[in-house]
Amino acid sequence: AQSVAQPEDQVNVAEGNPLTVKCTYSVSGNPYLFWYVQYPNRGLQFLLKYITGDNLVKGSYGFEAEFNKSQTSFHLKKPSALVSDSALYFCAVRDRSGGYNKLIFGAGTRLAVHP
Amino acid sequence: GAVVSQHPSRVICKSGTSVKIECRSLDFQATTMFWYRQFPKQSLMLMATSNEGSKATYEQGVEKDKFLINHASLTLSTLTVTSAHPEDSSFYICSASNPAGGFNEQFFGPGTRLTVL
Repeated sequence: AQSVAQPEDQVNVAEGNPLTVKCTYSVSGNPYLFWYVQYPNRGLQFLLKYITGDNLVKGSYGFEAEFNKSQTSFHLKKPSALVSDSALYFCAVRDRSGGYNKLIFGAGTRLAVHP
Repeated sequence: GAVVSQHPSRVICKSGTSVKIECRSLDFQATTMFWYRQFPKQSLMLMATSNEGSKATYEQGVEKDKFLINHASLTLSTLTVTSAHPEDSSFYICSASNPAGGFNEQFFGPGTRLTVL
């Protein structure tokens, strides 16, 4: 079964500093990986995805993620954090079992950016 | 583009009553819709997948008679929580996709917070 793990419940970073939110995956076959962000009492917003191609994927709001096959990781990064980046971040992997493109989500990582 | 709405955004009901939540794709036709629930400070758990015009496929452990899903058109899916109880209180989120139409990702609605008293 496909799965992703987010080892950190919370990440704290000072505004202006680089941030990393970690995600590792376990899949059979080629991984289709996603990052979503959730603000309080809101649905999920798509940030970026990796399907194939360059290992460095650029997404919305200045975020990027690096696909590392040898480490089975897909960490989310941003060079300079903003206070407005504070939110809940989910890594997800596509699961095709049952014939649908289901998403399996990690537990989520709360990012807190301090002024 | 690819906007998904949910209605209502918040609902409070008494134990034993039924509640219907609507999920609409506003600017594209969604052949497939997904329903998730999210408990406080937890991840999204997929409840069921529905294709327009056919029965929903429920994930293991989800009671299909309790969580009725109808995907009657390409722009509307409904989730009815029947005989709701306090343990059904949660944040319910839907998403929509249409791979054949080029909408491969899932586009998420804003969620519905259900509180059962």
